[in-house]
Amino acid sequence: GAGVSQSPSNKVTEKGKDVELRCDPISGHTALYWYRQRLGQGLEFLIYFQGNSAPDKSGLPSDRFSAERTGESVSTLTIQRTQQEDSAVYLCASSLDSGGSNYGYTFGSGTRLTVV
Amino acid sequence: LAKTTQPISMDSYEGQEVNITCSHNNIATNDYITWYQQFPSQGPRFIIQGYKTKVTNEVASLFIPADRKSSTLSLPRVSLSDTAVYYCLVGPLSGTYKYIFGTGTRLKVLA
Repeated sequence: GAGVSQSPSNKVTEKGKDVELRCDPISGHTALYWYRQRLGQGLEFLIYFQGNSAPDKSGLPSDRFSAERTGESVSTLTIQRTQQEDSAVYLCASSLDSGGSNYGYTFGSGTRLTVV
Repeated sequence: LAKTTQPISMDSYEGQEVNITCSHNNIATNDYITWYQQFPSQGPRFIIQGYKTKVTNEVASLFIPADRKSSTLSLPRVSLSDTAVYYCLVGPLSGTYKYIFGTGTRLKVLA
């Protein structure tokens, strides 16, 4: 597609439930990134993918968080047994993996997760 | 990872030129400087990118001195719609790179 698409745009879930957040990157972008943004704060890095592999999972806050990517395309971020502190906007971005000039990341509009 | 420092917030009035300076004292030789803009309820959006001297596009100008230890984003004649958070980041272009976004500079444009 023309941009990075995330779904759902909003998700309200009960504490303890599992949620899946989806990201469709720009076609041909080999790198994909997940960030979390709490209200009024900056972006917190979670994980990134090069192709279908995740070389850096250092930002995942706990083992309740996991992510996968298939077909060098769609990525899913899964949060198990959600807690109230998981409430945030989850942003996905993709980028070209190539030498030379590029235009950095292209972000989606995010999924606003509210845990009640 | 090059660390950046920028003001937490700035206020300006419509029609004024706004300059936001970012410090990046330990920038590496192959690092570029990139600025993003984020409106409420949206993901950050690329504004401008440069390596040295001056870069200008339809949105902004980026000034980078010879030592590259800082950079200044210049927004000409701001309007209310330029109210946003502006992030300064440094990193290489080639390959994948994990950009670290700080809290950015919250620009508020007043009427």
